[in-house]
Amino acid sequence: DAKTTQPPSMDCAEGRAANLPCNHSTISGNEYVYWYRQIHSQGPQYIIHGLKNNETNEMASLIITEDRKSSTLILPHATLRDTAVYYCIAAGGYQKVTFGTGTKLQVIP
Amino acid sequence: AAGVIQSPRHLIKEKRETATLKCYPIPRHDTVYWYQQGPGQDPQFLISFYEKMQSDKGSIPDRFSAQQFSDYHSELNMSSLELGDSALYFCASSLIGGGLWYGYTFGSGTRLTVV
Repeated sequence: DAKTTQPPSMDCAEGRAANLPCNHSTISGNEYVYWYRQIHSQGPQYIIHGLKNNETNEMASLIITEDRKSSTLILPHATLRDTAVYYCIAAGGYQKVTFGTGTKLQVIP
Repeated sequence: AAGVIQSPRHLIKEKRETATLKCYPIPRHDTVYWYQQGPGQDPQFLISFYEKMQSDKGSIPDRFSAQQFSDYHSELNMSSLELGDSALYFCASSLIGGGLWYGYTFGSGTRLTVV
């Protein structure tokens, strides 16, 4: 799996957009970019994934650069319940997925 | 929709005892992964199974063993428990079929406390 790099922490005001960056410069052509989040001691929760096109679902948007070396997860209107650790994972196939340190997002009232 | 079921949710064991954690993947998922998450740490990969065969192995102690059964559920067996084994243990399942990978779905985890 490609190694990913994320900032260790970010703050976001409630109601504003949270933009979480991720670098995955060694991603290979068949690897997807996945985003998960973990809210205190719960199982990681799937948010969104993409290969090369931008994606949007009811939770978030994923913007992947054209060279696929980085991506940004966008939570359009952050709420207090979005406070969590966000993990960006680049993976494909059935090999093990390696979690990095993730970004601890703190949504501030 | 059916999710990944882990049992038990909480488990308290004494040192040197044995524990068995169970994971029931989403129906038709063919791959199971086990992760260990210590306090304040990120999940660490332990072991995975694809179609009932071990597909990858991470930092799993020799005291631990796991297997995937014919119904695709998996069990993680932990013997000679140590205080340091206290952690959250997550199971995830995925569908590999067709050479593609559709991502993981995680269970809610089993919190193991060794006293």
